[in-house]
Amino acid sequence: SAVISQKPSRDICQRGTSLTIQCQVDSQVTMMFWYRQQPGQSLTLIATANQGSEATYESGFVIDKFPISRPNLTFSTLTVSNMSPEDSSIYLCSARRGTQYFGPGTRLLVL
Amino acid sequence: DAKTTQPPSMDCAEGRAANLPCNHSTISGNEYVYWYRQIHSQGPQYIIHGLKNNETNEMASLIITEDRKSSTLILPHATLRDTAVYYCIVRVHGNQFYFGTGTSLTVIP
Repeated sequence: SAVISQKPSRDICQRGTSLTIQCQVDSQVTMMFWYRQQPGQSLTLIATANQGSEATYESGFVIDKFPISRPNLTFSTLTVSNMSPEDSSIYLCSARRGTQYFGPGTRLLVL
Repeated sequence: DAKTTQPPSMDCAEGRAANLPCNHSTISGNEYVYWYRQIHSQGPQYIIHGLKNNETNEMASLIITEDRKSSTLILPHATLRDTAVYYCIVRVHGNQFYFGTGTSLTVIP
């Protein structure tokens, strides 16, 4: 299994600012993923982050808005840039080690 | 990835078996069926997965029809802590997970 932690667990931000979310896995993993869950909705995949290569973004998500770093096999960050109220969501980190595991999420409210 | 169809909500009496159906009529031969659940305010939790054969673990059983076009997740003795949204996902091994809308299961005392 894999234990995943995220920081911060929640935040309230002003529009126009940026927030960087950190994801730490307790063991080395090749593939990490970032998801967004808007209020009352299912999870939507934002991007796949593999160590040593650029993140691969899903349709509707761009690097300028959601830059991702993957400096090593246990850590990744997602930045939500130039935030607007529409970015208010839960952002979840996920990692694959055999099966796929999820972090507890970061609850973001943009005012 | 094949699309899945699940009922939006279900109720189950505490102590009874909860049977959650999933249709995946366009599933390919190399796509697995995965089940996750998301308890309120938490990240999704892996439950079980299978390819062709029925599977059982300490949490649940997975029944896949012979034509693989549908499956059923069975929680044998539902408890209040099983109240959650249950997601059925089909994917090729190694590919990304794409979540559908899931089934909101409410276990009633």
